[in-house]
Amino acid sequence: DAKTTQPTSMDCAEGRAANLPCNHSTISGNEYVYWYRQIHSQGPQYIIHGLKNNETNEMASLIITEDRKSSTLILPHATLRDTAVYYCIVRGPGAQGAQKLVFGQGTRLTINP
Amino acid sequence: SAVISQKPSRDICQRGTSLTIQCQVDSQVTMMFWYRQQPGQSLTLIATANQGSEATYESGFVIDKFPISRPNLTFSTLTVSNMSPEDSSIYLCSVRTGPNSPLHFGNGTRLTVT
Repeated sequence: DAKTTQPTSMDCAEGRAANLPCNHSTISGNEYVYWYRQIHSQGPQYIIHGLKNNETNEMASLIITEDRKSSTLILPHATLRDTAVYYCIVRGPGAQGAQKLVFGQGTRLTINP
Repeated sequence: SAVISQKPSRDICQRGTSLTIQCQVDSQVTMMFWYRQQPGQSLTLIATANQGSEATYESGFVIDKFPISRPNLTFSTLTVSNMSPEDSSIYLCSVRTGPNSPLHFGNGTRLTVT
């Protein structure tokens, strides 16, 4: 499985943009980058995913570098409710593995008032 | 997105007993998975629940310990057998509706084994 590397923790001020980096230097050409977050005591929540192009939805933006070796999740106006662990995941290879997601340790993002 | 309901939401069980966790989805889904999250840890995939056939287990997980059923496209169960305190975790059901669609999770079952 392609491995991802994320900072263990980050802080951001409320109202500012939170930029969460992720390195995935071994990503294969057909593998997607997914972002999830987990708020305490809840199941992980899907945020966004992309292959090559930048993506935006109502929750966040995903910027993928041209060589696809890294990406950044952007929460444009962070609120206290965005405090969570954020997981960057690259989909595993293989027929069966292509369907599953392997979670790393993630980044614990704390939004400060 | 699919709505996933897990039962029970939490339980406290004695060592040596077994617990069956149910996962019900409000629509037919192609893939169902079971994950475990040990205290303070990230998620670990236990197995893929296959409709009408035996589940596909990840390394370190075996059918005798974690038997899984998936009788149809909307329902699955995970049993944690012969429990020990090391099995205390959150167990999460997740589903995918298509090969490149996002994975959606239930809120999990918080299991404590005493």
